[in-house]
Amino acid sequence: AQKVTQAQTEISVVEKEDATLDCVYETRDTTYYLFWYKQPPSGELVFLIRRNSFDEQNEISGRYSWNFQKSTSSFNFTITASQVVDSAVYFCALSDPYGGATNKLIFGTGTLLAVQP
Amino acid sequence: DTGVSQNPRHKITKRGQNVTFRCDPISEHNRLYWYRQTLGQGPEFLTYFQNEAQLEKSRLLSDRFSAERPKGSFSTLEIQRTEQGDSAMYLCASSVGGLGNTEAFFGQGTRLTVV
Repeated sequence: AQKVTQAQTEISVVEKEDATLDCVYETRDTTYYLFWYKQPPSGELVFLIRRNSFDEQNEISGRYSWNFQKSTSSFNFTITASQVVDSAVYFCALSDPYGGATNKLIFGTGTLLAVQP
Repeated sequence: DTGVSQNPRHKITKRGQNVTFRCDPISEHNRLYWYRQTLGQGPEFLTYFQNEAQLEKSRLLSDRFSAERPKGSFSTLEIQRTEQGDSAMYLCASSVGGLGNTEAFFGQGTRLTVV
């Protein structure tokens, strides 16, 4: 079965500090995709990043970076120099493109990031 | 605005009443998804359409729930005989088809409160 675990319920940082959000996933498949979404108070889920299981290269996109390690089934996400506008709930999600071909997302329970001014 | 649109944004209904929500996906997206999100939880998959065909339904989707996408464009989700346990945020998402698994774009959701 597929499962995503976000052990951090809430983390708090002061503006300009870095914030790292943890994600651990379970899947029996060898091909899968991992995502991070942001949900601000308005409720809309905003796509941030996607990674496929064949590409473990870690990248930086602006203030966002991620650390994908298949050996530990982790897909951690870091916001550098956090800003108050980054305050939101962040969800890690897993998708199996061959699992019925629906590409449905399996979400974690989310981590609330509070950035204090 | 070319994003995913959901209406209404909020709905309060009495237990036992029927409710219907609408989702307008991004126009060129052939895949449409419904998710349900309860307080403090991540979204849970309910059902999936490819064009007008409903190809998968979650076990969460009881007989009181029905979804349609009659012309492969907008979709409706109806809940009959609502129960307090149906109170949740109902999210719609759309994406372009293909095994490349392009990202899904979500609407702002419909928050349902059953009193």
